[in-house]
Amino acid sequence: EAEVAQSPRYKITEKSQAVAFWCDPISGHATLYWYRQILGQGPELLVQFQDESVVDDSQLPKDRFSAERLKGVDSTLKIQPAELGDSAMYLCASSSGQGWADTQYFGPGTRLTVL
Amino acid sequence: GESVGLHLPTLSVQEGDNSIINCAYSNSASDYFIWYKQESGKGPQFIIDIRSNMDKRQGQRVTVLLNKTVKHLSLQIAATQPGDSAVYFCAESTGGGNKLTFGTGTQLKVEL
Repeated sequence: EAEVAQSPRYKITEKSQAVAFWCDPISGHATLYWYRQILGQGPELLVQFQDESVVDDSQLPKDRFSAERLKGVDSTLKIQPAELGDSAMYLCASSSGQGWADTQYFGPGTRLTVL
Repeated sequence: GESVGLHLPTLSVQEGDNSIINCAYSNSASDYFIWYKQESGKGPQFIIDIRSNMDKRQGQRVTVLLNKTVKHLSLQIAATQPGDSAVYFCAESTGGGNKLTFGTGTQLKVEL
């Protein structure tokens, strides 16, 4: 069964350092999402791509976060500089991008700890 | 803003019993709802979804009920098993699922 791949699974960094997360969506999925999940809460959307274009980045803290999906396949989410409050699980999800009720499938996530 | 919330943070059930997890939503324009299961250290796993033009939908051991009058959603799990232990999230959207709003989750604990 096809899955969304993410790496690394765990990342520990010091505040003010730069970190990057990678996501490879299910093959053929045009829509890719990055979410942030704080422990005990539901995921919150950071950015949504349709192919290589950003569809929604209204919740992305653009002063320190950036995301790209240059070839419309895999994607990278970067934080620079990291802050203590960025400690969370970063989840990537993908969907086919076609039709109504387009189910989102999630990867295993990257657990970020900022010291 | 609009929000999706869950009534109970933790639900404990005996193995073999049926589980019911509830969810309230406040956006009357929501037209698509999904239940996800999240095990510790893993990403959310799709369980079942329902459109607003339906009241009930069944899957394997799971049933989702939608009451639009009171803006309430529930997930029923039949014959709960230890492998069902996880956090369950409901999520809602308008326009068919592109932008999901998640609730805070309910921890389901299955006791042997």
